[in-house]
Amino acid sequence: EVQLVESGGGLVQPGGSLRLSCAASGFTFSDHYMDWIRQAPGEGLEWVGRIRNKAQSYTTEYAASLRGRFTISRDDSKNSVFLQMNSLKTEDTAMYYCTRLMSSSGYWSSDLWGRGTLVTVSP
Amino acid sequence: DIQMTQSPSSLSASVGDRITIICRASQNIGRSLNWYQQKPGKAPNLLIYGASNLQSGVPSRFSGSGSGTDFTLTISGLQPEDFATYYCQHSYNVLWAFGQGTKVEIK
Repeated sequence: EVQLVESGGGLVQPGGSLRLSCAASGFTFSDHYMDWIRQAPGEGLEWVGRIRNKAQSYTTEYAASLRGRFTISRDDSKNSVFLQMNSLKTEDTAMYYCTRLMSSSGYWSSDLWGRGTLVTVSP
Repeated sequence: DIQMTQSPSSLSASVGDRITIICRASQNIGRSLNWYQQKPGKAPNLLIYGASNLQSGVPSRFSGSGSGTDFTLTISGLQPEDFATYYCQHSYNVLWAFGQGTKVEIK
């Protein structure tokens, strides 16, 4: 089955760190760029960042507001992508989704989403 | 950064209605515009990519149009399973962004 499964969420205190994982299966993970997208409770979607594939030197991009605190990495041998979150703030409380990027007809989109993992930052 | 603005924020409609959701970009994004549907407690699902291309498996009652800064998502013949929140997203440059969402509710 083609799927993405996130893990690693939980309750963390402000200033703390957390590492999220996303395990891919059912497709050639190493070919794809991967994104992280988050959604605060009752709010809309916010793009977090991206890691490209080996052909693109595993380069990364981040939302400007998160740059410096969040780091995305991947391990193609484990079909996994990771989100390291440091110096967490209460406003980082959200469901975090990993997504697979697709390019079709010259246009990029997130065509596969995981179910998400919930991060709660609270004293 | 490119900002995306959707309207309306919410709408009420009946089964069988035709509805249109508008998405505007703060600058020209060509046709680099995607639409997603999200149901409560679920992850979003890709409906439309490249402004008007229907994702595989998505019913043909969904359609998208537009280019430049103005885009629309139309649902022709609203079905009970279509009551959800819809988001547009640009993929024009490196830093993607979403609209704030449009919640479609049952009248």
